[in-house]
Amino acid sequence: EVQLVESGGGLVQPGRSLRLSCAASGFTFHDHAMHWVRLAPGKGLEWVSGISWNSVSIGYVDSVKGRFTISRDNANKSLYLQMNSLRVEDTALYYCAKGHAWGTSGSMDVWGQGTTVTVS
Amino acid sequence: QSALTQPASVSGSPGQSITISCIGTSSDVGSYNLVSWYQQHPGKAPKLMIYEVSNRPSGVPARFSGSKSGNTASLTISGLQAEDEADYYCSSFTSSSTWVFGGGTKLTVL
Repeated sequence: EVQLVESGGGLVQPGRSLRLSCAASGFTFHDHAMHWVRLAPGKGLEWVSGISWNSVSIGYVDSVKGRFTISRDNANKSLYLQMNSLRVEDTALYYCAKGHAWGTSGSMDVWGQGTTVTVS
Repeated sequence: QSALTQPASVSGSPGQSITISCIGTSSDVGSYNLVSWYQQHPGKAPKLMIYEVSNRPSGVPARFSGSKSGNTASLTISGLQAEDEADYYCSSFTSSSTWVFGGGTKLTVL
């Protein structure tokens, strides 16, 4: 069974940092792009960042560029999101999602249950 | 990176058909056949329902179908069932090699 388990969320003050992790299992991790998507309270889904299978292609939504860094460890089947200079508006449930293909242009076909980040 | 435009809510009775529109631009929906639709029940993770405009992943009922014309994509659900009540989001790959989501549509089954 394909499974994604996020961790690392919590309560943090504005300006501080947090590192999210996503542990993957049940599929060939290094064959797929991976993404982070967030759901802020009372709002809709927002794509945050994506990374290709080999980390060559990386993208971010404008609002997190220069503050967030996505990375992956294929050997350990893990995805990460380093979040610096956090803002109140970054408060959200952060989902890890598996890409349908090796590149970031594939849709997100499996999602984790999310980890909550509260900036206050 | 403006969000795609979806109606805030739609409703229908069991057995009926509904269509949710998703309006983008020539930089996203209009340029790529990379439109996806997601279903999200309260407190649950999103579920992929349609990818690449009109393809259904294994296990998604044939009642769900997708299409696209110009800058507008659409999700149609025929033979509405009570369990279809959920939030639905469209998304599209963009010319900036990013993804953009719609604001979401709340489907109510009357």
